[in-house]
Amino acid sequence: DAKTTQPNSMESNEEEPVHLPCNHSTISGTDYIHWYRQLPSQGPEYVIHGLTSNVNNRMASLAIAEDRKSSTLILHRATLRDAAVYYCILRDVDAGNNRKLIWGLGTSLAVNP
Amino acid sequence: DGGITQSPKYLFRKEGQNVTLSCEQNLNHDAMYWYRQDPGQGLRLIYYSHIVNDFQKGDIAEGYSVSREKKESFPLTVTSAQKNPTAFYLCASSFGSSGAFSNQPQHFGDGTRLSIL
Repeated sequence: DAKTTQPNSMESNEEEPVHLPCNHSTISGTDYIHWYRQLPSQGPEYVIHGLTSNVNNRMASLAIAEDRKSSTLILHRATLRDAAVYYCILRDVDAGNNRKLIWGLGTSLAVNP
Repeated sequence: DGGITQSPKYLFRKEGQNVTLSCEQNLNHDAMYWYRQDPGQGLRLIYYSHIVNDFQKGDIAEGYSVSREKKESFPLTVTSAQKNPTAFYLCASSFGSSGAFSNQPQHFGDGTRLSIL
């Protein structure tokens, strides 16, 4: 399985940057790194994804290590609404050669006012 | 606004009863997915479909059934064979020009919480 490793929880203060790490040492050469977040009692929300180069969008930035074995999701200024579980996800291929996303436990981010 | 709608938000099942969870999307997405989430756990894939009239089992398909008669709709039936159905059920969809689980983002509904009476 293409697995990811994330800290169980992290804490940040409002309006400060947050760096959420993810290790994925078994990533294959063609797989993108996906990040989603999930607020309590809601469905996950897509945040960002990337392959090799760093990526930016209105929600966050994604910094990918040169060897692609790790990545960091960067929230530039945390707000209280950013408190959520953040999932770093890879694709994997099952025995039937079907691709699927592998969801771990994610990082629970708390934002202090 | 385009989006993905799950209903009902809360559902209760009696012993021996089948229940059906609705999932509708108007995003013109080819691929649709059903996941189950238990407290403190990541999402687990139940079924997925990348095209109308075709679907595949995910990791935990036993006790569940689906249909994909229309592009917009992907209902999930939790059968009486599913002995532990209490969970949060999430439906998602994505563009899938290269099949399901392409690198296109998945869009999720707000989920259905199923409990046993």
